[in-house]
Amino acid sequence: KQEVTQIPAALSVPEGENLVLNCSFTDSAIYNLQWFRQDPGKGLTSLLLIQSSQREQTSGRLNASLDKSSGRSTLYIAASQPGDSATYLCAVLPYNNNDMRFGAGTRLTVKP
Amino acid sequence: DGGITQSPKYLFRKEGQNVTLSCEQNLNHDAMYWYRQDPGQGLRLIYYSQIVNDFQKGDIAEGYSVSREKKESFPLTVTSAQKNPTAFYLCASSRLQQGISGANVLTFGAGSRLTVL
Repeated sequence: KQEVTQIPAALSVPEGENLVLNCSFTDSAIYNLQWFRQDPGKGLTSLLLIQSSQREQTSGRLNASLDKSSGRSTLYIAASQPGDSATYLCAVLPYNNNDMRFGAGTRLTVKP
Repeated sequence: DGGITQSPKYLFRKEGQNVTLSCEQNLNHDAMYWYRQDPGQGLRLIYYSQIVNDFQKGDIAEGYSVSREKKESFPLTVTSAQKNPTAFYLCASSRLQQGISGANVLTFGAGSRLTVL
């Protein structure tokens, strides 16, 4: 059964720093991997989706990489801002079903 | 604007009561999902539906029921059989996967927080 782990559980950085969030998954048979942002008490917003055949995706200051063979993905945030403070979740879609598996998330705080 | 609407945003339930959470989407998505989120845990799938009048259990379906009478609507009922229903409930929708190169971008609603008194 696919397990998704995110490390660290929480991260606090000063404004302007570049940072990396980590996601690992146990089964490499995936269709895609998504990174989401969740603000407190809100739903999830999709940030980036990486297909299984891709190595990375970029959107603005965000860059997500995927190493399927090692079961890892990273989300790189450049020049962090206080508005980036939120919980970031990664999720993988297994190859053989529609049951997307989520990590518990990394709670990011960017201090002014 | 297209999107997913969940209601109510906050709901309080007494012991032994059934409650129903609403989820409506106008994205013309075929698939709809219900997830439960507890502090410090990832989202867990309760039920999902890929087509009208059909749905499948997820990992934690016990104590919950759903219906899919219309493509746009996928209500979730939390029954009295659910022993620990206090949680944040999220509804999502997506286009169906289409082969190995298909995408399955989930669009989420804003969530409903259920508290048992």
